[in-house]
Amino acid sequence: DIQMTQSPSSLSASVGDRVTITCRASQGISNYLVWYQQKPGKAPKLLIYAASSLQSGVPSRFSGSGSGTDFTLTISSLQPEDVATYYCQKYNSAPQTFGQGTKVEIK
Amino acid sequence: EVQLVESGGGLVQPGGSLRLSCAASGFTFSNYVMSWVRQAPGKGLEWVSVISGSAGSTYYADSVKGRFTMSRDNPKNTLYLQMNSLRAEDTAVYYCAKGDVTLIEPIYGMDVWGQGTTVTVSS
Repeated sequence: DIQMTQSPSSLSASVGDRVTITCRASQGISNYLVWYQQKPGKAPKLLIYAASSLQSGVPSRFSGSGSGTDFTLTISSLQPEDVATYYCQKYNSAPQTFGQGTKVEIK
Repeated sequence: EVQLVESGGGLVQPGGSLRLSCAASGFTFSNYVMSWVRQAPGKGLEWVSVISGSAGSTYYADSVKGRFTMSRDNPKNTLYLQMNSLRAEDTAVYYCAKGDVTLIEPIYGMDVWGQGTTVTVSS
């Protein structure tokens, strides 16, 4: 099975900073990669699908890139409401494995 | 409004069984792939299972294969997860989620999630 590895596992940044989270697949998955945001006590929310397509209603400060094995989620200007844990997921075929998550906090 | 509402969670002894339900509304349920995802206390998300819109195909994580059965009743707009031989490590919040229209090269991700139902396996 394909493994998904995120880095870092946590980060702390200031409001307005550019934040980058990386997700690496153990084998190529083309662009079958999605990103979710989960706030404490809440269900996950879809942010990005097909590696780089922004889900409707998601602020444009979120963007995704990558293909094959290496993917990136970028928050161009971190806002207080972005405090959450972010997960990538391989989505092309079962098992649709998640990364272990990246917790984003405000410094 | 597109909505998913899970139910059926609770406290069960190791080795016991539980059936979760997920009631869907606001979209044509039979057209969409549905999934179960769980989250153990303080841990990350774990994909559990997925079912095609017609219920013709189902897939499971190795951790639940042979113990869990996912099904759907399209006329009732309801998704199910039958969980047998439960273990302490199955303790988690279980979410149902709406996916693509197809299991073949899906790309759109899980765009609607329920609020979750809590399963606790303990003696």
